[in-house]
Amino acid sequence: SQTIHQWPATLVQPVGSPLSLECTVEGTSNPNLYWYRQAAGRGLQLLFYSVGIGQISSEVPQNLSASRPQDRQFILSSKKLLLSDSGFYLCAWSVFDSYGYTFGSGTRLTVV
Amino acid sequence: AQSVTQLDSQVPVFEEAPVELRCNYSSSVSVYLFWYVQYPNQGLQLLLKYLSGSTLVESINGFEAEFNKSQTSFHLRKPSVHISDTAEYFCAVRGGGSYIPTFGRGTSLIVHP
Repeated sequence: SQTIHQWPATLVQPVGSPLSLECTVEGTSNPNLYWYRQAAGRGLQLLFYSVGIGQISSEVPQNLSASRPQDRQFILSSKKLLLSDSGFYLCAWSVFDSYGYTFGSGTRLTVV
Repeated sequence: AQSVTQLDSQVPVFEEAPVELRCNYSSSVSVYLFWYVQYPNQGLQLLLKYLSGSTLVESINGFEAEFNKSQTSFHLRKPSVHISDTAEYFCAVRGGGSYIPTFGRGTSLIVHP
């Protein structure tokens, strides 16, 4: 069966520290992968998406970057966190003909 | 570009009462429509989807949504809610040819005993 793993579940990091969030998918090949950020009362903001290894599209300019080193691995990074990077980060995957997304369980990031 | 409007940010309701969560989208061209549910501190789960065919779609836990092309709406309904239905609900729209949906801001359904 198809599953998506996202970790860690919660993270508290000081301002200026680096960040690495990882997402892996099992049970499917060549998925489209996505990183979303969710802030309270502001819905879901698409940060990055990837249609293949090494192919990253950024939706908004920001302090974050993404990489896809393997077909089913998607990483969200930052070299220096800002307070405004706090939020709930969600990874998701889809294949075109399934029409819907499958989301990971999310990472609650608090930058202090 | 598509836009999705969820008219209510919060909907409080008593247990066993009916509920409707409203969703309107901007375009009348071919679209795929989704409702997702998010329980506290969890990811989103697909609740139901409309791709084609019957305009009324149902989920396994009693929710249903009706695609209304003329009103560009996809409202979510349940005839009798439970405490366990308390969650955030997101409407999403994907235009034909695009694999990236546009999400609404979400509606918080709060079911009181």
